Amino acid sequence: NAGVMQNPRHLVRRRGQEARLRCSPMKGHSHVYWYRQLPEEGLKFMVYLQKENIIDESGMPKERFSAEFPKEGPSILRIQQVVRGDSAAYFCASSPRAGGGMNEQFFGPGTRLTVL
Amino acid sequence: AQSVTQLGSHVSVSEGALVLLRCNYSSSVPPYLFWYVQYPNQGLQLLLKYTTGATLVKGINGFEAEFKKSETSFHLTKPSAHMSDAAEYFCAVSGNTGGFKTIFGAGTRLFVKA
Repeated sequence: NAGVMQNPRHLVRRRGQEARLRCSPMKGHSHVYWYRQLPEEGLKFMVYLQKENIIDESGMPKERFSAEFPKEGPSILRIQQVVRGDSAAYFCASSPRAGGGMNEQFFGPGTRLTVL
Repeated sequence: AQSVTQLGSHVSVSEGALVLLRCNYSSSVPPYLFWYVQYPNQGLQLLLKYTTGATLVKGINGFEAEFKKSETSFHLTKPSAHMSDAAEYFCAVSGNTGGFKTIFGAGTRLFVKA
């Protein structure tokens, strides 16, 4: 049973370009979470999605960031017009049920975004 | 609202010594508490979790943690450190009120000296 998969593992973009980060949850998991980790900082919650629905996006910056989890295919975190401050590791996690409780979240290996 | 404070961003121990990583939480509802470990360039992996019941929780790799409600703490311990324990450790809290967030602490990097 494959774990959570994220691609690409490393992504380099120039300022002003778009970054698309993909996350395939574990088989049977319908809940996806995105986190951002800055150097020497913990994980900051960004968004929680179920299939075709955004449940909680309170951690998402108001501009340039968006996320989706379509009925088919991976979840996508999209960052438009990237700036140097967007450079970070972005982690995706999945769970079989709502994670705002006792259920463990399973993490992918992360995508390390570098903005030049 | 919930929050997590991990005391000490860096902890260094000698191989074979006791490991103690401190975590205090704040929660207005009964908390669910977690410890995750992150090895370099990898995602987080669950070490252990507390939901209900026994307050002393045993996890993988010989780690355990004790939920102390009166102290709002969930410290992580291991009797004897191994070189392979060197990693970053995150304490996290969530609740059962319908909120979906798991709140993570800033992390503690554990160094193990030979």
